[in-house]
Amino acid sequence: GQQVMQIPQYQHVQEGEDFTTYCNSSTTLSNIQWYKQRPGGHPVFLIQLVKSGEVKKQKRLTFQFGEAKKNSSLHITATQTTDVGTYFCAGVKAAGNKLTFGGGTRVLVKP
Amino acid sequence: GAGVSQSPSNKVTEKGKDVELRCDPISGHTALYWYRQSLGQGLEFLIYFQGNSAPDKSGLPSDRFSAERTGGSVSTLTIQRTQQEDSAVYLCASSLGWRTYEQYFGPGTRLTVT
Repeated sequence: GQQVMQIPQYQHVQEGEDFTTYCNSSTTLSNIQWYKQRPGGHPVFLIQLVKSGEVKKQKRLTFQFGEAKKNSSLHITATQTTDVGTYFCAGVKAAGNKLTFGGGTRVLVKP
Repeated sequence: GAGVSQSPSNKVTEKGKDVELRCDPISGHTALYWYRQSLGQGLEFLIYFQGNSAPDKSGLPSDRFSAERTGGSVSTLTIQRTQQEDSAVYLCASSLGWRTYEQYFGPGTRLTVT
């Protein structure tokens, strides 16, 4: 079946530094979504990418969808303590109808 | 407007008992999902309802788990003969449609089986 893998599983970042988390699918995706779950909270939708090579920015967050539509990345610049949480990517297989979540990247920020 | 609501927020039950978890999706959302999340882990897909189509039950871990969605709105997840390994947070999410629509998550039900 479809698998969505995220790396790294954990990311310890010094406040102010940049980092990138990656999402890889075993199959071509029709779209990919990113969610953020704060500690003790529930996942909250951040963004959706649909087009090959698409890049979208939200303030310090940059999301990219790969040319082959099988991978995606989330890059955060100048990390802040408010960025703490788990970031999940989720994709729908090109011929599918179900969103499959990756295992998440847990981000810890050192002040 | 109101978001996705779930009840109860916390449930402690004894091993072997049955439990029912409820999800009220956002009005007008045709798709509804149930996930399970163990402490510090990712989201484990359980079941997916889309409109009047047959639900996708491919994620249910055993026949002790079942879910229904009445009238295309409220959903109930039932776990029979609970086991300690069923302890987790059960999250419900709804979306306006399928494939390309964002999911809105409820606050979850924390289930503890003693």
